[in-house]
Amino acid sequence: GGIITQTPKFLIGQEGQKLTLKCQQNFNHDTMYWYRQDSGKGLRLIYYSITENDLQKGDLSEGYDASREKKSSFSLTVTSAQKNEMAVFLCASSPGLGDYAEQFFGPGTRLTVL
Amino acid sequence: GDSVTQKQGQVTLSEDDFLFINCTYSTTTYPTLLWYVQYLGQGPQLLLKVTTANNKGISRGFEATYDKGTTSFHLQKASVQESDSAVYFCALVEATEGADRLTFGKGTQLIIQP
Repeated sequence: GGIITQTPKFLIGQEGQKLTLKCQQNFNHDTMYWYRQDSGKGLRLIYYSITENDLQKGDLSEGYDASREKKSSFSLTVTSAQKNEMAVFLCASSPGLGDYAEQFFGPGTRLTVL
Repeated sequence: GDSVTQKQGQVTLSEDDFLFINCTYSTTTYPTLLWYVQYLGQGPQLLLKVTTANNKGISRGFEATYDKGTTSFHLQKASVQESDSAVYFCALVEATEGADRLTFGKGTQLIIQP
């Protein structure tokens, strides 16, 4: 088995601030994902990466940057936090393609912008 | 592009009641359809997968089926328990170059009254 660790668990920022969220996985999975979860809106894909140093935009990439410098880690940066923004950011990993490879999720980082 | 509609935002049941959650989907390919469950404070975890090959999935007392004619898929359980309280998401898999992208429904919060 493996685990996905997301840090920090809670993140409080100010409007306009640049904020970075981190994700680590020890599954040795190739593919990693960042999703945003808003109440009542399900999960929306921000960025994903199929291998080290690869980045692919999802449906919600505007306002975000990502970085995959190692196979085991995937970082997400909110480039300019929006006032009153509240959401949970979920990181996931999967082994890659092949008869749907299950995505395993971390516990999330809860963002609040004052 | 692919889309998923999950209209039931919240379902309230008593223990031993029958659970039925429905999603509709739109895709141009043969669908792989998923149900994820998210318990409070945790990330989503895969509950069931349904494909055109198997038509049905069963796990932990839950059953998932899909109807190609109405492009809908369902999650049901004969007798819910308090421990089933969670948010249930349907999702559609889109295989793209290098990764499987998921399109999620908005989620159904299941509340079990003791």
